Amino acid sequence: QQQVKQSPQSLIVQKGGISIINCAYENTAFDYFPWYQQFPGKGPALLIAIRPDVSEKKEGRFTISFNKSAKQFSLHIMDSQPGDSATYFCAAYILTGGGNKLTFGTGTQLKVEL
Amino acid sequence: DGGITQSPKYLFRKEGQNVTLSCEQNLNHDAMYWYRQDPGQGLRLIYYSQIVNDFQKGDIAEGYSVSREKKESFPLTVTSAQKNPTAFYLCASSIEGSFNQPQHFGDGTRLSIL
Repeated sequence: QQQVKQSPQSLIVQKGGISIINCAYENTAFDYFPWYQQFPGKGPALLIAIRPDVSEKKEGRFTISFNKSAKQFSLHIMDSQPGDSATYFCAAYILTGGGNKLTFGTGTQLKVEL
Repeated sequence: DGGITQSPKYLFRKEGQNVTLSCEQNLNHDAMYWYRQDPGQGLRLIYYSQIVNDFQKGDIAEGYSVSREKKESFPLTVTSAQKNPTAFYLCASSIEGSFNQPQHFGDGTRLSIL
């Protein structure tokens, strides 16, 4: 089954804190795991992505941790800022002979409070 | 600047009416996609196209139709057969077959029932 489960549904973090969003998948055929950030009224934009042969990837304040054996991956936002308030989607790719089909998680609404 | 343009931003549909959502890209991408976004459900794939004059059904194609007559254009028609069309519709594109290239999204069209 091509499903990606995401939690929590919503998250409130104080400014300067760490935001953690978790995702789990079932299909081991997935071979690329991006995270998208979406602001209200806008389309999602790629934030950071990881391949299953890497356990961690860091870009600035954003880090993906990947546990292949547990089929889980998570997004950590360090020193969270009010400007990080958005909806975050994890996703997974399956290459099906051309065209990268994305399976999305259900999203996490993050609010960073002052 | 290269990107994806969706129009209109807001659209209203009457009972029994077909409406068409526009999606244009100048990124020279081969693949294009339509997603539907509902609160708490993430993004669900409606249709996708890997090359001109070819397209495939996604997970929720019933009540929708598409065409791909030009590389840069992928319009979506919401037909009267779609009984629950109220949603945020997102168009995306990607370089064909390159899984390390992300999908680029437009800013969406919000469709409502009158």
